Amino acid sequence: GENVEQHPSTLSVQEGDSAVIKCTYSDSASNYFPWYKQELGKRPQLIIDIRSNVGEKKDQRIAVTLNKTAKHFSLHITETQPEDSAVYFCAASNSNSGYALNFGKGTSLLVTP
Amino acid sequence: DVKVTQSSRYLVKRTGEKVFLECVQDMDHENMFWYRQDPGLGLRLIYFSYDVKMKEKGDIPEGYSVSREKKERFSLILESASTNQTSMYLCASSSTRLRETQYFGPGTRLLVL
Repeated sequence: GENVEQHPSTLSVQEGDSAVIKCTYSDSASNYFPWYKQELGKRPQLIIDIRSNVGEKKDQRIAVTLNKTAKHFSLHITETQPEDSAVYFCAASNSNSGYALNFGKGTSLLVTP
Repeated sequence: DVKVTQSSRYLVKRTGEKVFLECVQDMDHENMFWYRQDPGLGLRLIYFSYDVKMKEKGDIPEGYSVSREKKERFSLILESASTNQTSMYLCASSSTRLRETQYFGPGTRLLVL
């Protein structure tokens, strides 16, 4: 089955700096890659996603890039703010074989003022 | 607005007890999922369901069963709770039309003594 690796497991940045979280996947048939943000004590929520026919997608301060050849994708957060502090999960799925997501183990991001 | 609710936020049970965790969604979603979340291990899929009375095993189904008698409700059953099932349990749902986007419930923190 699909295996998703996520790095780093923890990341600390100063407010205003950029943060990058990287994920790799094993199944070349995977074609959908969402990112979820989970604030302390709250449920995971989708923040951005990308499909395999697109190389990059941006939404204000967050962006995701996908390299299908290398089978990795990354989340970029620019101009970080303390409210960006949370656990971020990447995931991958092959929508042609079902709707289940395979999640990475998460990255705990801390943005210090 | 999608709403996914879970029957309890916190639950304390004794080893050997039968435990029912319930999840309800109000958006007529076809797909429903149960995950457990443990520190450093991310979100691991226990079971999922694409339709009423249908179920599929996820990555860690051992010790669990599920029931989906109605479209809006998906139950996770621990037949005989054990201490290693102490965890946070998250339910999620998605529609077939927007199939990959999963919406999570608030979670149930289960402690098995």
